[in-house]
Amino acid sequence: NAGVMQNPRHLVRRRGQEARLRCSPMKGHSHVYWYRQLPEEGLKFMVYLQKENIIDESGMPKERFSAEFPKEGPSILRIQQVVRGDSAAYFCASSSDKTGNYGYTFGSGTRLTVV
Amino acid sequence: AQSVTQPDIHITVSEGASLELRCNYSYGATPYLFWYVQSPGQGLQLLLKYFSGDTLVQGIKGFEAEFKRSQSSFNLRKPSVHWSDAAEYFCAVGAQNTGFQKLVFGTGTRLLVSP
Repeated sequence: NAGVMQNPRHLVRRRGQEARLRCSPMKGHSHVYWYRQLPEEGLKFMVYLQKENIIDESGMPKERFSAEFPKEGPSILRIQQVVRGDSAAYFCASSSDKTGNYGYTFGSGTRLTVV
Repeated sequence: AQSVTQPDIHITVSEGASLELRCNYSYGATPYLFWYVQSPGQGLQLLLKYFSGDTLVQGIKGFEAEFKRSQSSFNLRKPSVHWSDAAEYFCAVGAQNTGFQKLVFGTGTRLLVSP
């Protein structure tokens, strides 16, 4: 069981470019969550997805950010026209049910640097 | 709104000494509480969680935490710290009123272990 796989581990983008972050949940997990960790801060919820559905995106910035979890393949967090303030660590977590009673499993994160 | 406060940004403990990391939460109902550990450049690993029942919770790596409703606290303890415990520790509360398990994190406490 490979756990939650995120790639790339590190991503450098110039201002104005697009960033694509990928997350493959644990086998058997159909619930995916994205969190962002700004420097010197805790993680903040961004979005919760199930296969082909966005359930809650209350933590997503209104512009430039989008997420998907297609029927086949990994979940994608897309950031268009990146700015310096997008530099952060982005973590994906998965669970087997929405209650999280069995616990989330977090990936190792993607560290995005915007130059 | 739910919130978590970790009042200590940094803590230094001698190897072999006891450890207590503080966590206070704000939540209107019975909270789901978690402690995660993050090693440098890594993702988050669940140490322990409290949902209900016994207020003293045992976790991995010799950690335990005690839920005190009257103090709105969920402090993490370890009787004897090892050098490998040096990491960042995050307390989180699970917000159930959203219909799913959204985690609200504190800003973390960085533990340094001195020889």
